[in-house]
Amino acid sequence: SAVISQKPSRDICQRGTSLTIQCQVDSQVTMMFWYRQQPGQSLTLIATANQGSEATYESGFVIDKFPISRPNLTFSTLTVSNMSPEDSSIYLCSVMVGSSTDTQYFGPGTRLTVL
Amino acid sequence: AQSVTQLGSHVSVSEGALVLLRCNYSSSVPPYLFWYVQYPNQGLQLLLKYTTGATLVKGINGFEAEFKKSETSFHLTKPSAHMSDAAEYFCAVSSGNTPLVFGKGTRLSVIA
Repeated sequence: SAVISQKPSRDICQRGTSLTIQCQVDSQVTMMFWYRQQPGQSLTLIATANQGSEATYESGFVIDKFPISRPNLTFSTLTVSNMSPEDSSIYLCSVMVGSSTDTQYFGPGTRLTVL
Repeated sequence: AQSVTQLGSHVSVSEGALVLLRCNYSSSVPPYLFWYVQYPNQGLQLLLKYTTGATLVKGINGFEAEFKKSETSFHLTKPSAHMSDAAEYFCAVSSGNTPLVFGKGTRLSVIA
């Protein structure tokens, strides 16, 4: 498995601002993902964070709204841009580790509230 | 494409009673199936998974699940519920090295 940390753990932001969420893993991972969990809902994949290249976004998510960086094998950031109250969610980082590429592990999440 | 249907958004059981959480999947390729648990204000923890081999898989905290290909099901069970089992449970599917697709989740309540 892997130890995954996210910063910040929670934040309250104003409409129209941006927030960058960091995901740090204690070991090199093969794949990193970002998910969104809206209040009372399941998890929806936002994108796959690719090391050294542009992220791969799922339908309904765009780079201008959710820019992602992954400069190395242990770190990624997700930015939520020009926020609106509809962006209030939990954002979770997830990774696949080493040869166990069939299993995803999750960070503790970042709880975002947009006023 | 793959999808997961969890029957019952909320299940309530008495302490000591059997826990049964239902999950059906759709997949055009052999599925990899997972159950995760989410306690309040926490991230997701892997309970158990099925990839290949034995169809009855055992996980943490006394949970187990059985893969039934003919029924496209992967139901989660536990013989005796504890108060500490109260949480949100998510069933998920992948094709191995692809991102998970989640069901809508089932909230388990345990009544003393």
